[in-house]
Amino acid sequence: DAGVIQSPRHEVTEMGQEVTLRCKPISGHDYLFWYRQTMMRGLELLIYFNNNVPIDDSGMPEDRFSAKMPNASFSTLKIQPSEPRDSAVYFCASSQSSTGYSEAFFGQGTRLTVV
Amino acid sequence: AQTVTQSQPEMSVQEAETVTLSCTYDTSENNYYLFWYKQPPSRQMILVIRQEAYKQQNATENRFSVNFQKAAKSFSLKISDSQLGDTAMYFCAFMKRQGAQKLVFGQGTRLTINP
Repeated sequence: DAGVIQSPRHEVTEMGQEVTLRCKPISGHDYLFWYRQTMMRGLELLIYFNNNVPIDDSGMPEDRFSAKMPNASFSTLKIQPSEPRDSAVYFCASSQSSTGYSEAFFGQGTRLTVV
Repeated sequence: AQTVTQSQPEMSVQEAETVTLSCTYDTSENNYYLFWYKQPPSRQMILVIRQEAYKQQNATENRFSVNFQKAAKSFSLKISDSQLGDTAMYFCAFMKRQGAQKLVFGQGTRLTINP
């Protein structure tokens, strides 16, 4: 498997524009997580899905952020409208449910810059 | 809620030396996992080592070992015979054993190995 695939790797956009980040989890994984990494707040969980259903979106900062998972192999994180403070690295991760531990595999992240 | 604290923002050692990174956490859970992740300049999040809280024996992976003190809620990472390739950000992370497999991260320690 190619691992968790995120696109784009880098995104530069102007304030007010809509931004869509994409993620393809590892095949067979039924958990998908979106994390955001900033200097100030470190790595924080935004939202996670189980079997394509959003389970916990309490980390989503504002209504400007939305996430979807239309099928088991694709998820998006959308910011509309974007603001400079949204500049960060956004990671997608996936894991497989089990009765014990299951490793979370991370994508390479999308570095978003809002100017 | 769980919190993870890494009190050393930056550390620097000479190649071949041993270095210890500190991590403390707070939780009311009794069963959980603790992790150390490495993030090199490529941004990829790489799992270094995992500890299961119900196991008293400290985990070891080649040059990497942990000192897990459950009562003190302390989880330090020791890197022996450090190599230039160990230069990276290191994150301590917590995950409950039951329920959602979401990770709570510390702020990270930037480790530099000097030649």
